[in-house]
Amino acid sequence: DAMVIQNPRYQVTQFGKPVTLSCSQTLNHNVMYWYQQKSSQAPKLLFHYYDKDFNNEADTPDNFQSRRPNTSFCFLDIRSPGLGDAAMYLCATSRSLVGLAGGPGELFFGEGSRLTVL
Amino acid sequence: DAKTTQPNSMESNEEEPVHLPCNHSTISGTDYIHWYRQLPSQSPEYVIHGLTSNVNNRMASLAIAEDRKSSTLILHRATLRDAAVYYCIHQMGMRFGAGTRLTVKP
Repeated sequence: DAMVIQNPRYQVTQFGKPVTLSCSQTLNHNVMYWYQQKSSQAPKLLFHYYDKDFNNEADTPDNFQSRRPNTSFCFLDIRSPGLGDAAMYLCATSRSLVGLAGGPGELFFGEGSRLTVL
Repeated sequence: DAKTTQPNSMESNEEEPVHLPCNHSTISGTDYIHWYRQLPSQSPEYVIHGLTSNVNNRMASLAIAEDRKSSTLILHRATLRDAAVYYCIHQMGMRFGAGTRLTVKP
């Protein structure tokens, strides 16, 4: 059974039209991450939530926002998508960040949401 | 900023062992090393992680240098299905570097 579920799997939007991608998890993990992965590149971390604490990567554009209304759900909002934002967006979770014996545990990834910008 | 360095690509023959190296010279004392792999058209998947001791699981083994500045992921018998991009990352931040693209030849 899928533990990290992303919707939609495919999203087509127009240049400048806002889009929201969702991620839900059944693992009750404290940490949720959003990554952007462009073709033939490594996943790039955009931000993560540790519980309700939001942590933005320094080079994440302001165009990208996130919300986490509860433990299970996290959203990625792209306010004004440009052609350069076309990518696979990956959501991942982990039990914690640091400090626990065994570390934070591994990342669990969803299947991703592929965004096309016309 | 925690960074890892891996070779861009490696090749292996099917059913032979593969040793994938990773340098992480800036790692802190409590920072775990994680390995993930990404098969074509799939999301990354967890392979193994460790702190100081060598680790084994059903997928692979992880050998961590005594000074913890490097580690090696060992696939004991490569199969065609192991062809993927392999990433080693620090648990601090879970940021991915460029990874190593492993090609397995029949």
